[in-house]
Amino acid sequence: QVQLVQSGAEVKKPGASVKVSCKASGYTFSDYSINWVRQAPGQGLEWMGWISTYNGKTYYAQKLQGRVTITTDTSTGTAYMELRSLRSDDTAVYYCARGDGLWDHWGQGTLVTVSS
Amino acid sequence: DIQMTQSPSSLSASVGDRVTITCQASHYISNYLNWYQQKPGKAPKLLIYDASNLQTGLPSRFSGSGSGTNFTFTISSLQPEDIGTYYCQQYDNLPPLFTFGPGTKVDIK
Repeated sequence: QVQLVQSGAEVKKPGASVKVSCKASGYTFSDYSINWVRQAPGQGLEWMGWISTYNGKTYYAQKLQGRVTITTDTSTGTAYMELRSLRSDDTAVYYCARGDGLWDHWGQGTLVTVSS
Repeated sequence: DIQMTQSPSSLSASVGDRVTITCQASHYISNYLNWYQQKPGKAPKLLIYDASNLQTGLPSRFSGSGSGTNFTFTISSLQPEDIGTYYCQQYDNLPPLFTFGPGTKVDIK
């Protein structure tokens, strides 16, 4: 069955970086793009960026341009999201999700807490 | 950028009630509109894609309609397991760009 399994919770200090992984299984990794979405405590969903697992092309939300990088390792079927220069308002649950127009499978979420 | 609005922001209804949520896009988006359900502490779950297509395996009490800028999501007979927050999401493929509505929290009266 299709699964997206994310890495565990992280606690970071302001100004640091975090890298969250999303390991796919149960399907051909290069057949579906991967998106990253975040959700601050008690808030809604915010799209962060998209990567083509076929050719590595990326698109990012304008708000996060320059601070976020999404990559893949096709040999292991894993996608990564790195966010730099962390601030307190980056505290959120970060999700990966498979797909282009529709996102039919999601990771379980990774809580990233930014605190001094 | 396309902005998405949803109404109401929350609602409380009885088991068996018909529940309707609306979503409006600031610009024309054809039928590039999905609906997701999120339960507390869980990842969102796709319910409706391309405005009116029910995701495989889901109960037929969920439905969606609309095109252009105005969309509707309906639960024909609310069940206790339907409590959660519902989000609309617009998408564009060229380039990939996604925007979520602010969400509608549904609970049981």
